[in-house]
Amino acid sequence: DVKVTQSSRYLVKRTGEKVFLECVQDMDHENMFWYRQDPGLGLRLIYFSYDVKMKEKGDIPEGYSVSREKKERFSLILESASTNQTSMYLCASSVRGSPNEKLFFGSGTQLSVL
Amino acid sequence: RKEVEQDPGPFNVPEGATVAFNCTYSNSASQSFFWYRQDCRKEPKLLMSVYSSGNEDGRFTAQLNRASQYISLLIRDSKLSDSATYLCVVRGEGTYKYIFGTGTRLKVLA
Repeated sequence: DVKVTQSSRYLVKRTGEKVFLECVQDMDHENMFWYRQDPGLGLRLIYFSYDVKMKEKGDIPEGYSVSREKKERFSLILESASTNQTSMYLCASSVRGSPNEKLFFGSGTQLSVL
Repeated sequence: RKEVEQDPGPFNVPEGATVAFNCTYSNSASQSFFWYRQDCRKEPKLLMSVYSSGNEDGRFTAQLNRASQYISLLIRDSKLSDSATYLCVVRGEGTYKYIFGTGTRLKVLA
């Protein structure tokens, strides 16, 4: 079965810190995504990548950047963490162009910025 | 207007009941439709894709109405284990961007 692994389940950081959230998938998927989930707002797309070194902004990219140097790894970077970035962060991957398209999610990282 | 809208609920139903959720979407060019299930403090998981002709998977039936731009999920003979949040997801044509609704919470009561 596909496994999407996020490096941390819980993370506590201070305002202004640079934060790295790592995501690794083991099924050679082309597409990878970063979402954040907040009560009442649902999942919102931050960035996605459809290939190595390729990235596209989602709906809320401000304050975030991403890196995809290898196919299996997609990193989300908070350049200078702020309290409004406290959230649950979910990474997902999928196969490009699959007739049975499906997003596989990691178990999430609950980030608290103090 | 949100791109994908759902009634947040909660829908509280007794075991064995039939319950239905609707979801509306605003982009008429949307191409792919899904229902995901999310348990408390867990990641979303695909429940079923929604096909134009409608489709069924056991106790679950999904339907798509393109003219009115909504999709529905029907759960028959509800089980306690069906208690979860159900997320409506839509993808536009020619894009990898999946738009999630905020979810409908279901509680099945003993």
